[in-house]
Amino acid sequence: GAVVSQHPSRVICKSGTSVKIECRSLDFQATTMFWYRQFPKKSLMLMATSNEGSKATYEQGVEKDKFLINHASLTLSTLTVTSAHPEDSSFYICSAKSIRTSGVVSGETQYFGPGTRLLVL
Amino acid sequence: GDSVTQMEGPVTLSEEAFLTINCTYTATGYPSLFWYVQYPGEGLQLLLKATKADDKGSNKGFEATYRKETTSFHLEKGSVQVSDSAVYFCALSGGATNKLIFGTGTLLAVQP
Repeated sequence: GAVVSQHPSRVICKSGTSVKIECRSLDFQATTMFWYRQFPKKSLMLMATSNEGSKATYEQGVEKDKFLINHASLTLSTLTVTSAHPEDSSFYICSAKSIRTSGVVSGETQYFGPGTRLLVL
Repeated sequence: GDSVTQMEGPVTLSEEAFLTINCTYTATGYPSLFWYVQYPGEGLQLLLKATKADDKGSNKGFEATYRKETTSFHLEKGSVQVSDSAVYFCALSGGATNKLIFGTGTLLAVQP
């Protein structure tokens, strides 16, 4: 239980193009999903908190027009990196929080996806 | 604001050695505490957690005790294996905000 998937796992794109990353909770419903960015040998930086059916809340310093987040259902959130540039190359990780505690899924715990490695050439 | 401080790595140990990774926190209220593990090239996996003072979280031979008096949540394992080589993150949530606040991570390298 408590499986979160991300797609794609790796993506290479040209500078100026947009890239969409999907985050899905496979066996539980998540009202809240989080998007993180991880730099090499650094901790995770929270980019935004995404609530189903409402606008995402972005952390200070994160450009909301560049990193578009959509949370259209209780099992899917997407992050679109618009007009990507080489400095956007990074490891993007999502996490999901269940609406309730049920079985092995705890409502207090964030469950993480495997991450998406983005390389912008 | 809420914060987590971890010992800096890398920590290099021989197989079967005893492991301690220190973690202390600053938080408002009564946070939940977590240890996450990240294996090379992968995302984070929840290793163990504790939700109140004196709780002990344990999993895969690892354990950590929520110590409110010392605001600590040190990770320990009695005998490490090569397969334990990874980055370990201490984290808290439920303090001033509901966000998950991470420490900087500690790289553990276990040599055969």
